[in-house]
Amino acid sequence: NAGVMQNPRHLVRRRGQEARLRCSPMKGHSHVYWYRQLPEEGLKFMVYLQKENIIDESGMPKERFSAEFPKEGPSILRIQQVVRGDSAAYFCASSPPPGTDTQHSTDTQYFGPGTRLTVL
Amino acid sequence: AQKVTQAQTEISVVEKEDVTLDCVYETRDTTYYLFWYKQPPSGELVFLIRRNSFDEQNEISGRYSWNFQKSTSSFNFTITASQVVDSAVYFCALSDFNFGNEKLTFGTGTRLTIIP
Repeated sequence: NAGVMQNPRHLVRRRGQEARLRCSPMKGHSHVYWYRQLPEEGLKFMVYLQKENIIDESGMPKERFSAEFPKEGPSILRIQQVVRGDSAAYFCASSPPPGTDTQHSTDTQYFGPGTRLTVL
Repeated sequence: AQKVTQAQTEISVVEKEDVTLDCVYETRDTTYYLFWYKQPPSGELVFLIRRNSFDEQNEISGRYSWNFQKSTSSFNFTITASQVVDSAVYFCALSDFNFGNEKLTFGTGTRLTIIP
């Protein structure tokens, strides 16, 4: 059973460009969370999505950031007109609906390897 | 609001020593989950343990043990007979017992260095 996949692992953008970060959850997991880790800091919650729905975006910056989790395909975190302060590691995590995954603990988030975004 | 405090920013110990990483949390919820994650130098986050607020039993897994004390709102992590491979940043995290949304609040992490 493959783990959570994120791509690209490293992304370099110039100021003003767009960044698209992709996250494929574990098979059977329909809950996706995005977190941001600024250098030398802990992870901060950004957004929680289920298939085709944004459940909680209380941690998302009000502008330039958006997220989606379509019915088919990976979850996408999109950052428009990037600035140097967006440089960070972005992690996604997935968890299963309760009672559906006997191999992994429910109510536990399993993290991908992260995408390191560098804005020049 | 939830808060997780890991007061130890960095710890260095010599290999084979025991080391305890502290975690103190704040929440107004009566039911919640506590977690520890390991972030090795390669950068990924590795799940170590989940504990729910109903279960105050201490847990041992090999060289790792966890001490959950609700009375002091602490969830400390001990590594016995440390090894160089234990060198990593360790994060403590907290989530509501909120069906359908268990977003995590992380501490700032403790960087553990094991000296050979």
